[in-house]
Amino acid sequence: DIQMTQSPSSLSASVGDRVTITCRASRGISTYLAWYQQKPGKVPELLIYAASTLQSGVSFRFSGSGSGTDFTLTISSLQPEDVATYYCQKYDSAPWTFGRGTKVEIK
Amino acid sequence: EVQLLESGGGLVQPGGSLRLSCAASGFTFTTHALSWVRQAPGKGLEWVAVIDGSGANTYYADSGRGRFTISRDNSKNTLYLQMNSLRGEDTALYYCAKGGSGNYYQWPISDHWGQGTLVIVSS
Repeated sequence: DIQMTQSPSSLSASVGDRVTITCRASRGISTYLAWYQQKPGKVPELLIYAASTLQSGVSFRFSGSGSGTDFTLTISSLQPEDVATYYCQKYDSAPWTFGRGTKVEIK
Repeated sequence: EVQLLESGGGLVQPGGSLRLSCAASGFTFTTHALSWVRQAPGKGLEWVAVIDGSGANTYYADSGRGRFTISRDNSKNTLYLQMNSLRGEDTALYYCAKGGSGNYYQWPISDHWGQGTLVIVSS
């Protein structure tokens, strides 16, 4: 099975900072990658699918890029409401594995 | 408004069985794939299983294959997960998630999630 490796596992940044999270697949998955945000104590929410397509209603601060094995989620200007754990998920084929998550905090 | 309401969780002994349900509303149930995703306490998300809109196609994570069965009743707008031979590592919050309505590649794109139902496997 394809493994999904997210990095870093956690980060702390200041409000207004540009934040980048990476997700690497152990084999190519084209652009079959989604990103989810899970705020503390809350249900996960879809941010991005097809590697770079922003889900309706999601802030334009969020963007995704990449194809093949290397993907990036970027928060252009970190806001307090972005404190959350972010997960990538590959969906080229079953099993649709999640990455282990990146916890984002405010410095 | 899309609503997904899970139920059926609880405390069960190792080796026991449990059936989870997810009552759905607010969308055309028969055209959307549905997934179960779980989250162990303090841990990350783990995809468990998916079923397409017709119920004809299902896929499972290795962790549940042979023990878990996903199904749906399109007349009742309800998704199920039958879990047998439960183990301690199955302890988790189980989410029902609404997937896409298109082809296979749309199924796991989960745009709505329920609040989850907690399963605890312990003696």
